[in-house]
Amino acid sequence: EAGVVQSPRYKIIEKKQPVAFWCNPISGHNTLYWYRQNLGQGPELLIRYENEEAVDDSQLPKDRFSAERLKGVDSTLKIQPAELGDSAVYLCASSLAGVGTEAFFGQGTRLTVV
Amino acid sequence: GQQVMQIPQYQHVQEGEDFTTYCNSSTTLSNIQWYKQRPGGHPVFLIQLVKSGEVKKQKRLTFQFGEAKKNSSLHITATQTTDVGTYFCAGPNFGNEKLTFGTGTRLTIIP
Repeated sequence: EAGVVQSPRYKIIEKKQPVAFWCNPISGHNTLYWYRQNLGQGPELLIRYENEEAVDDSQLPKDRFSAERLKGVDSTLKIQPAELGDSAVYLCASSLAGVGTEAFFGQGTRLTVV
Repeated sequence: GQQVMQIPQYQHVQEGEDFTTYCNSSTTLSNIQWYKQRPGGHPVFLIQLVKSGEVKKQKRLTFQFGEAKKNSSLHITATQTTDVGTYFCAGPNFGNEKLTFGTGTRLTIIP
């Protein structure tokens, strides 16, 4: 069975440009997370979905970040406009049912803003 | 907000030596999960502990959840080069289903 699939793997953009990341979770997983990981640090939660509902987006910088999970399956995370400080690895993860079950991570998208 | 700290931040050990990382949460956790992230890779789930004082073993790895459910530890016996990576604990506190990751401990092995 395929794991969590993310694309693209790498993205280099100039500041002020928009960028989007895509995630396809493991089939049947209701919970989907987007994390941001800076170099040498632990993943920081940006948003968590239960099916198509965003149940925790308190850490999402809503002035420039947006996310959606239409039909409760795959998800996109968008940044517009990107800033230099947004350079990081964006990780998508899914779990069967909430934080009481293990999270499976995708390979991540490494974003570099120049 | 909830903070999850790990010590040490870095650990360099000779191959064959033991290794321990400690995880401390500012709030009581409903469960604790441990993940391993190889250099350049993504976090991979190792184990979950739920009960107060719970101890679980996976071959050379021993995981412990504190009695107060605010701390945890991971101990590796006789490290091998395959153990290289960063070990993260993660846990949601009661009443807040937010899976917060610790700061991580990066383990390097000297052959």
